[in-house]
Amino acid sequence: DAKTTQPTSMDCAEGRAANLPCNHSTISGNEYVYWYRQIHSQGPQYIIHGLKNNETNEMASLIITEDRKSSTLILPHATLRDTAVYYCMGAGNNRKLIWGLGTSLAVNP
Amino acid sequence: NAGVMQNPRHLVRRRGQEARLRCSPMKGHSHVYWYRQLPEEGLKFMVYLQKENIIDESGMPKERFSAEFPKEGPSILRIQQVVRGDSAAYFCASSPKEGTGPTDEQFFGPGTRLTVL
Repeated sequence: DAKTTQPTSMDCAEGRAANLPCNHSTISGNEYVYWYRQIHSQGPQYIIHGLKNNETNEMASLIITEDRKSSTLILPHATLRDTAVYYCMGAGNNRKLIWGLGTSLAVNP
Repeated sequence: NAGVMQNPRHLVRRRGQEARLRCSPMKGHSHVYWYRQLPEEGLKFMVYLQKENIIDESGMPKERFSAEFPKEGPSILRIQQVVRGDSAAYFCASSPKEGTGPTDEQFFGPGTRLTVL
C-alpha cells in the first residue's frame, strides 16, 4: 500500500532551522507533495507544495530529492509559534490521497 | 470570502444516536474532503466528494458512516448508531478542483468535536 513516513517528533531551538523529513516513495511521479501543519487542535493549515524543483515561500522551503522519494520541509528560523504537528501529503498512482502520521515539532526557547 | 465552515463545533451524543456533521466549503470550491482525528493521533482521510458524487471513500468505515455533497447545500457526514470509539475531531476541507495539482491546496475548517457518552 502507498504510504508516507515521518518521524514522530522533533525538537528545535528557537531561531534555528527546523528540518522535517518525509519519505514518500509511493507518491506518483506526476503528483505534488504537500505540507500542512496543525497548531494545537485547530484545522490544518497549508504550508507549501512542490513537484520536482525546490520551492520557497514566506513560510518555508521545500527540498525534494531528485528521485522524488523523499522531501524535507525547512523552517529557516523557527519560532515558538511554529510548534505544531507537520504533515506531508501526496497522491499515489491511483490518485488516492496519502497523509503521513505527522511530526510533532517542539520549538524550545 | 468566508473560509470553510463546519457546524456544530461541538456535538454530544449518547451511544446509539445519530450524528450529523455539516460542512460548507469555500465559495467556488466544488471538492470536499472529510478527515477524522482520534485523540492524540494524526489525521485520517475518510472520503472525498465532488458535487453529488463520491470520488473516493476508501477511508470510510464500511458500516454506520455515510457522506453526501448535494447540488445545493452543505456536505453532510452522517454517523448512525454512534459508539464511544467514534469520539473524535472531524475535519472538513475544500479545494477548487480535483487534487493534486498546483492549485489544489486544501482549505480546512475548524472541525467538529464529537463526544459520545
